[in-house]
Amino acid sequence: AQRVTQPEKLLSVFKGAPVELKCNYSYSGSPELFWYVQYSRQRLQLLLRHISRESIKGFTADLNKGETSFHLKKPFAQEEDSAMYYCALSKSSASKIIFGSGTRLSIRP
Amino acid sequence: ETGVTQSPTHLIKTRGQQVTLRCSSQSGHNTVSWYQQALGQGPQFIFQYYREEENGRGNFPPRFSGLQFPNYSSELNVNALELDDSALYLCASSEDRATSIEQFFGPGTRLTVL
Repeated sequence: AQRVTQPEKLLSVFKGAPVELKCNYSYSGSPELFWYVQYSRQRLQLLLRHISRESIKGFTADLNKGETSFHLKKPFAQEEDSAMYYCALSKSSASKIIFGSGTRLSIRP
Repeated sequence: ETGVTQSPTHLIKTRGQQVTLRCSSQSGHNTVSWYQQALGQGPQFIFQYYREEENGRGNFPPRFSGLQFPNYSSELNVNALELDDSALYLCASSEDRATSIEQFFGPGTRLTVL
């Protein structure tokens, strides 16, 4: 079955602390993995995808095929990082996207 | 460049009624996908339209149906509404179904079924 699991509903860290949002997936084949973010009162938007291997807003995510994980990391959290984060996968990014249930990240001052 | 727009922003219906939600895709995009996001959950794929034809469907009953028009805008229709249909309905558009292109999401329509 195709599934994305985000075990934490809420993650609260202090400003300046490291952040790691966990994501595990199950998929037969080689999916594309993404992280989407939704800031307060804004629409869902793509944060990063594994094929780009980019760092966006200081966030990185490494695809670990052995552990079927795609954890999102940032070394130093900022208050503006507070948002809802969704891990997702698809066959290609123009195909249907399977989302996890999301993790709310709260950065404390 | 105009982003994805959806209408209405929110609406309230009663059980058994029918509803139509609308989505205008981003300029130049020919693919539209619809998602249902229940409270506290991630979006769930309903179906996708590519050049006016359905191109993939999620695990939703036939009372969820859709259309895509020649200008690539789209409608989602839900018949015989049930209480569990209460959710945020998201539309996403992309440029081409075959290539690795980002999907852009609209702001959503909040549907409440009483």
